[in-house]
Amino acid sequence: KNEVEQSPQNLTAQEGEFITINCSYSVGISALHWLQQHPGGGIVSLFMLSSGKKKHGRLIATINIQEKHSSLHITASHPRDSAVYICAVEGGGADGLTFGKGTHLIIQP
Amino acid sequence: NAGVTQTPKFQVLKTGQSMTLQCAQDMNHNSMYWYRQDPGMGLRLIYYSASEGTTDKGEVPNGYNVSRLNKREFSLRLESAAPSQTSVYFCASSQNRVGELFFGEGSRLTVL
Repeated sequence: KNEVEQSPQNLTAQEGEFITINCSYSVGISALHWLQQHPGGGIVSLFMLSSGKKKHGRLIATINIQEKHSSLHITASHPRDSAVYICAVEGGGADGLTFGKGTHLIIQP
Repeated sequence: NAGVTQTPKFQVLKTGQSMTLQCAQDMNHNSMYWYRQDPGMGLRLIYYSASEGTTDKGEVPNGYNVSRLNKREFSLRLESAAPSQTSVYFCASSQNRVGELFFGEGSRLTVL
């Protein structure tokens, strides 16, 4: 089974700061997902990527297949970015997705 | 668009009671999933359905049953609820087995 580790577990930053959340996994994958979960529970898919880099607004996701590592960056962070960010991987012997435990991000005004 | 709708949003049960969580998607997706989310743990797959008429066990299927009623609907049944099943349950769907996931808003279940 793939082991998915996220770091940091918790992150508090000031509005406007550049944020980086990391995800590493143990076995080769076919794709990696970044999800966002706001307080109150709803989960939204941010990115699905299998190589390179994707950008959507202030969010950037990168993946290095050789190093089994992905990062999620938030530029010009805002309090509305406060949420739990979850990394999930497809493949590596598991059925469906294997999820990380999430990174709790708080952006203070 | 409604996306993925699951009901109920909250439920309190006594040990031994049964209940069904309902899930429906309006995106014509083939694959549907039930996950549970517990504090300090990542989402874990209970059951999934790759297409209408098929269901498969995930990582934590014990104590649960599922029905893929049609392409839109995928229900999760707890036949005899146990306190260990206290959790937040999420239904999700995707076009195919590999692809972007769309989640419901979650159902918070407490078993006393």
